[in-house]
Amino acid sequence: SQQGEEDPQALSIQEGENATMNCSYKTSINNLQWYRQNSGRGLVHLILIRSNEREKHSGRLRVTLDTSKKSSSLLITASRAADTASYFCATEGNNRLAFGKGNQVVVIP
Amino acid sequence: SQTIHQWPATLVQPVGSPLSLECTVEGTSNPNLYWYRQAAGRGLQLLFYSVGIGQISSEVPQNLSASRPQDRQFILSSKKLLLSDSGFYLCAWSTSGGYNEQFFGPGTRLTVL
Repeated sequence: SQQGEEDPQALSIQEGENATMNCSYKTSINNLQWYRQNSGRGLVHLILIRSNEREKHSGRLRVTLDTSKKSSSLLITASRAADTASYFCATEGNNRLAFGKGNQVVVIP
Repeated sequence: SQTIHQWPATLVQPVGSPLSLECTVEGTSNPNLYWYRQAAGRGLQLLFYSVGIGQISSEVPQNLSASRPQDRQFILSSKKLLLSDSGFYLCAWSTSGGYNEQFFGPGTRLTVL
């Protein structure tokens, strides 16, 4: 089955800096999604990028998708302390999502 | 607007005891429903998904089962819990037809002792 894999696993940055996370997958996909999870909570959908799209923006988030390399990146610009969370990529196929292990991001005020 | 509920929020159960976790969705009809388990510091593992009443697909063979007795109700059960069943259980829904984002409930923290 498809499996997103984020890299790096943990990231610690200063408030105001940009945070970049990468995700790779192994099989063809319909779309790729990024989710955020605060500690002990459910996941919140951030952004969905379809297989025929290369880049998408939502507020301070920028997602890229390279289907030839089977990879995606999530960029959070001008990070805030409230961005501290775990971020997961998920690949969609056959009405199911396959999640990666997640990136833990800590934004230091 | 749509909301998703899970209960209980936390649960501590002895090994060998039964389990019943409930998930309900409001404000939508005929959703796809999903049960995930998240081990500490890990990603999400899809356990079951359902595209309609009585239609359950199992992703991982184990001692858990799922049922969908009503359109917007999804139940995760076990007859006898194992230590390895401990984890954070998340229910999610999406609109039918795929290609869509999933909306997650608040989760249930299960500890099996």
